[in-house]
Amino acid sequence: NAGVTQTPKFQVLKTGQSMTLQCAQDMNHNSMYWYRQDPGMGLRLIYYSASEGTTDKGEVPNGYNVSRLNKREFSLRLESAAPSQTSVYFCASSEKSGGATDTQYFGPGTRLTVL
Amino acid sequence: GENVEQHPSTLSVQEGDSAVIKCTYSDSASNYFPWYKQELGKRPQLIIDIRSNVGEKKDQRIAVTLNKTAKHFSLHITETQPEDSAVYFCAAHQETSGSRLTFGEGTQLTVNP
Repeated sequence: NAGVTQTPKFQVLKTGQSMTLQCAQDMNHNSMYWYRQDPGMGLRLIYYSASEGTTDKGEVPNGYNVSRLNKREFSLRLESAAPSQTSVYFCASSEKSGGATDTQYFGPGTRLTVL
Repeated sequence: GENVEQHPSTLSVQEGDSAVIKCTYSDSASNYFPWYKQELGKRPQLIIDIRSNVGEKKDQRIAVTLNKTAKHFSLHITETQPEDSAVYFCAAHQETSGSRLTFGEGTQLTVNP
């Protein structure tokens, strides 16, 4: 039982390049989330998926797209990376569908630098 | 939307002392308040949570209190140990505009031996 896994762990992009961050969970959880963490700003929600087949915008969705590929996988895509997207990205999952009132389990994070 | 403010941003205590971190929230409909601990270079992990129908919850050296009237909640750590050193995040469950958590900015707790 690996929990929540993320790939890659580190990535350096040039401005304008695109990439997809992958996230998978093996806990049969219904809800999945993407956060970014910047110094002094806590965790900010980018997008979330309250159940398989649904996605919703969070606090900072601009410049990102997501896909809930199936119940296990939730990917985050940067179409045209900008230096302001330099951050640590965390994926998380929780058991309940449609709610954020239970424990969220986080992945190990992806450290992204955009030059 | 929900706004969560967390204080202090840094806290330094001596081993064995108590530590208190406070958070305020803006949405009176918020009903779930978790606390996450993040050690350096690691992922956040839930340490305790409280729901709006409860005023206090304890788990060994950790306790959380909730004041719904004043819209604030606090994390209390007693008999602090060096391994308690980490960043602590509070969060509030926002239901009125999409069911999601809004996190505070974090408190860096340092426990000095």
